[in-house]
Amino acid sequence: KAGVTQTPRYLIKTRGQQVTLSCSPISGHRSVSWYQQTPGQGLQFLFEYFSETQRNKGNFPGRFSGRQFSNSRSEMNVSTLELGDSALYLCASSGDGSYEQYFGPGTRLTVT
Amino acid sequence: SQQGEEDPQALSIQEGENATMNCSYKTSINNLQWYRQNSGRGLVHLILIRSNEREKHSGRLRVTLDTSKKSSSLLITASRAADTASYFCATTSGTYKYIFGTGTRLKVLA
Repeated sequence: KAGVTQTPRYLIKTRGQQVTLSCSPISGHRSVSWYQQTPGQGLQFLFEYFSETQRNKGNFPGRFSGRQFSNSRSEMNVSTLELGDSALYLCASSGDGSYEQYFGPGTRLTVT
Repeated sequence: SQQGEEDPQALSIQEGENATMNCSYKTSINNLQWYRQNSGRGLVHLILIRSNEREKHSGRLRVTLDTSKKSSSLLITASRAADTASYFCATTSGTYKYIFGTGTRLKVLA
């Protein structure tokens, strides 16, 4: 099976812009979770989608949003970018009833 | 805020030695998992231990869980240079919401 893929791998944006990141889960996985990883805050849970519905949400401002499509692919969007949004954004998928998460390689976002 | 706190933050050992890292958490959990991350890449699942289990083995990995102390430990035996990575514990409680620890950076010297 192909692993979790994320696009793009690297992104440079300017403050105030918005960005959309994409994640394709492992075939058959309906749960997709997003995380933000920074040196200062570590790995922080953003949200989780299951069958096109947001099932869980972390403590991030409304500028961070996501969605999931019928084929389980997911996108996350960050509007009005701030310098502090610079991070590695990781996506993970898991099978139904499983807690084991499979992570993608991440998207490295730099906000200047 | 982070639920899991790992200890030590960094660990440097010689190849062939054992590496032990600890994780503490704050609330009751369904299960606890350990993940490995190589140099800013995605995480790789290593092992899951359920809240009603006390010890689990997988190859060179041994995980213990003490729910009364809200802590877990990961032991890597006979470490190799390829084990150099950051190790994170992750807890789940209630629904499928994961809280990761701060991580332990392990360096295995050849």
